[in-house]
Amino acid sequence: EVQLVESGGGLVKPGGSLRLSCAASGFTFSSYSMNWVRQAPGKGLEWVSSISSSSSYIYYADSVKGRFTISRDNAKNSLYLQMNSLRAEDTAVYYCARVLVSSWYTWGQGTLVTVSS
Amino acid sequence: QSVLTQPPSVSAAPGQKVTISCSGSSSNIGNNYVSWYQQLPGTAPKLLIYENNKRPSGIPDRFSGSKSGTSATLGITGLQTGDEADYYCGTWDSSLSAEGVFGGGTKLTVL
Repeated sequence: EVQLVESGGGLVKPGGSLRLSCAASGFTFSSYSMNWVRQAPGKGLEWVSSISSSSSYIYYADSVKGRFTISRDNAKNSLYLQMNSLRAEDTAVYYCARVLVSSWYTWGQGTLVTVSS
Repeated sequence: QSVLTQPPSVSAAPGQKVTISCSGSSSNIGNNYVSWYQQLPGTAPKLLIYENNKRPSGIPDRFSGSKSGTSATLGITGLQTGDEADYYCGTWDSSLSAEGVFGGGTKLTVL
């Protein structure tokens, strides 16, 4: 069974840092591009970042560029999101998603990040 | 404000049909595949339609997708109360780099 499990969310103060992880199983992780997508409370989906299968291509939304870093470890079947200089507007549920046939084909259950003093 | 434009809400009676529109531009919908997602309350989004009109395994044929120019449409027939959810369209924007973009979401109410 294809599965994505996020972890690492929590409460952090403005200006702080947090590292999210996404553990993948049930498919050949190293063959797929992976994304992070977030959803602020009561709001819609917002694409955050994308990383290609070999980490050769990395993209970020303007809202997080320079503050967030996406990475992956294909040997550990894991995706990461290092979030620095966090702001209140970064408060959201963060989902990792497998990209397949030009779509966000498989989603994790999400991990909640709350930025508040 | 989202890059892709969807109506905030739609409603219809059980058994009826509903359509949800998604409008974009030449840099996103016009030159890329569109996908659709269903998000039931308190759950993660789930893929309904990919590559404009294809359904993943397990998605009933009550759900359909189409695309024309810079717009796409999700259709749902034989509405059921369990279809009450938020629906999102998504695609890629090639104006600057391969960024993902979503619509603002449409709340479907089955009356």
